[in-house]
Amino acid sequence: SSELTQPPSVSVSPGQTARITCSGDTLPKEYAYWYQQRPGQAPVLLIYEDTERSSGIPDRFSGSTSETSVTLTISGVQAEDEADYYCLSANSIGTSWVFGGGTKLTVL
Amino acid sequence: EVLLVESGGALVQPGRSLRLSCSVSGFNFDEYAMSWVRQAPGKGLQWVGFIRSNKGYGGTVEYDASVKGRFIISRDDSKNIAYLQMTSLRAEDTGVYFCTRTFMGRYDYWGRGTLVTVSS
Repeated sequence: SSELTQPPSVSVSPGQTARITCSGDTLPKEYAYWYQQRPGQAPVLLIYEDTERSSGIPDRFSGSTSETSVTLTISGVQAEDEADYYCLSANSIGTSWVFGGGTKLTVL
Repeated sequence: EVLLVESGGALVQPGRSLRLSCSVSGFNFDEYAMSWVRQAPGKGLQWVGFIRSNKGYGGTVEYDASVKGRFIISRDDSKNIAYLQMTSLRAEDTGVYFCTRTFMGRYDYWGRGTLVTVSS
């Protein structure tokens, strides 16, 4: 399976907008999914199929795509958004999946 | 309420085997694929593999290259349990193992994970 590349860290002040990118050869041809993981907890699905928000996820979380990458945008960042964020995608036939390396979001 | 509970994690010596279980409730288990995801201490998430539903998808399985040939994923729809049989364990298999309800890349429900430590 191909690799997905994320920045190791992103820092923003409360109320600002955070953008986390995920790039890979199969994007955006294949759907991307975004997960949030707080320390000591299981991951939570935020965004599926590039842009669809999962049930119960605040609308400050959104997903978008460009030619070669996908982006998770968190508008009006709150302290509780401090966590690790991972993208996930598959190869073209859905037989192999890979997570990005993860991005640690720090709220200053 | 959807609930997934992993069990079976333990300290095991390199080269030995271990079987993890994922007991689920709150949804029609036989209609969903189930995935296993692991996380080494202080590291990111790694996809391990998944098993498709037996309903129309034959219960076929896919694995990451790092575990193919050593790990086997299975399911018992009569008991609502998914399994991860791990053999020839290595130190790099150490980590927390999560099971997740799966629809394509939508891992919408997760267990809390079970810790596997491979060490002599």
